[in-house]
Amino acid sequence: AQKITQTQPGMFVQEKEAVTLDCTYDTSDPSYGLFWYKQPSSGEMIFLIYQGSYDQQNATEGRYSLNFQKARKSANLVISASQLGDSAMYFCAMREGANYGQNFVFGPGTRLSVLP
Amino acid sequence: ETGVTQTPRHLVMGMTNKKSLKCEQHLGHNAMYWYKQSAKKPLELMFVYNFKEQTENNSVPSRFSPECPNSSHLFLHLHTLQPEDSALYLCASSQGDRDQETQYFGPGTRLLVL
Repeated sequence: AQKITQTQPGMFVQEKEAVTLDCTYDTSDPSYGLFWYKQPSSGEMIFLIYQGSYDQQNATEGRYSLNFQKARKSANLVISASQLGDSAMYFCAMREGANYGQNFVFGPGTRLSVLP
Repeated sequence: ETGVTQTPRHLVMGMTNKKSLKCEQHLGHNAMYWYKQSAKKPLELMFVYNFKEQTENNSVPSRFSPECPNSSHLFLHLHTLQPEDSALYLCASSQGDRDQETQYFGPGTRLLVL
């Protein structure tokens, strides 16, 4: 079974509007971390935001926020006020357990296109 | 100097060639990783090193050989590759501490095997 599911292969959003990218995960480990990365066409994977399984509040980083619904096992990324430079692939990832590196899995990604 | 650098950025090689990919991190991290990203496939973790010790090898073929001489440098030695090995190879690093383990990535090496 897939550990990370991103059901939207592609998304379009109008510039300056908000967009939500979906991510659901599967784990039985009580301790885990959830990450979102952005990958522009240049290839570099850029870290955006992190949510720990024990964090009480949703993570926010500038225009990025993570809508963490633990019971539903979802960790959707919300980008507010979209910009043309936000066009890229977006990957949701999860680290299970307390160990670095190991069990760090990525979802298939969502390609976001911001329209002028 | 940016956090994680990779060289070369692009590489074309024949199946009989031997080449090496280099990764260097300037973040003071202790863990480093190699990932493979093929078209239309999720990232695949290949190798993990922590404090220069290899801790993960996800059934990677022996034609890929990693080397980690110190916590700042990571190499991926390539020999007798196959066309299906063509992909983007990404290096990442993290603190290596379980509470600080966001992985930071380099720009990748785009490899084409002819």
